[in-house]
Amino acid sequence: DGGITQSPKYLFRKEGQNVTLSCEQNLNHDAMYWYRQDPGQGLRLIYYSQIVNDFQKGDIAEGYSVSREKKESFPLTVTSAQKNPTAFYLCASSISRVGTEAFFGQGTRLTVV
Amino acid sequence: KQEVTQIPAALSVPEGENLVLNCSFTDSAIYNLQWFRQDPGKGLTSLLLIQSSQREQTSGRLNASLDKSSGRSTLYIAASQPGDSATYLCAVIPNYGGSQGNLIFGKGTKLSVKP
Repeated sequence: DGGITQSPKYLFRKEGQNVTLSCEQNLNHDAMYWYRQDPGQGLRLIYYSQIVNDFQKGDIAEGYSVSREKKESFPLTVTSAQKNPTAFYLCASSISRVGTEAFFGQGTRLTVV
Repeated sequence: KQEVTQIPAALSVPEGENLVLNCSFTDSAIYNLQWFRQDPGKGLTSLLLIQSSQREQTSGRLNASLDKSSGRSTLYIAASQPGDSATYLCAVIPNYGGSQGNLIFGKGTKLSVKP
């Protein structure tokens, strides 16, 4: 089945730790995105990538980093510089960024302990 | 800056009722508008995509309309069922400016369909 796979589903982070969220797609899409969802705030864009080896900051990139070494993979690292990382993280992809349908993974819930 | 608003924030209806969810956006310069469904603790499921040149799209019991000039879209759900209970999100993709190509989301309408 074609789709977007996010792992893990649940992740716990200790203070001062970096953690990496995985996002893999087999849809052959060029564009990939990371969003953060908080209660009452809607979805906010963290990073996006139009093509392999390219990525750009979104609206709330501080404290996060990404890489795009392969077309199918777009991992997100939540660094210790992110002061309030507890949230639901969603990865998405689309054929291109120019007005094509976006598809989402099932999300990773990150909790700071 | 593009802003997307969804009203109401929550809606409760009896099973079998037809209903309309509303979405408004402040800038008509968009590539398209997309409606999503989100179940609690889950990701987003794409329901309908309307290109800026289109007026409506239909899928089963769902019909979405787009009036770009007035900055409005509606999602019509016919003969609602308890399984339709979820949060419905609307998003636009601006075609210019700093957010060009990125989905801009509303905060959603939480729908509850009572048996």
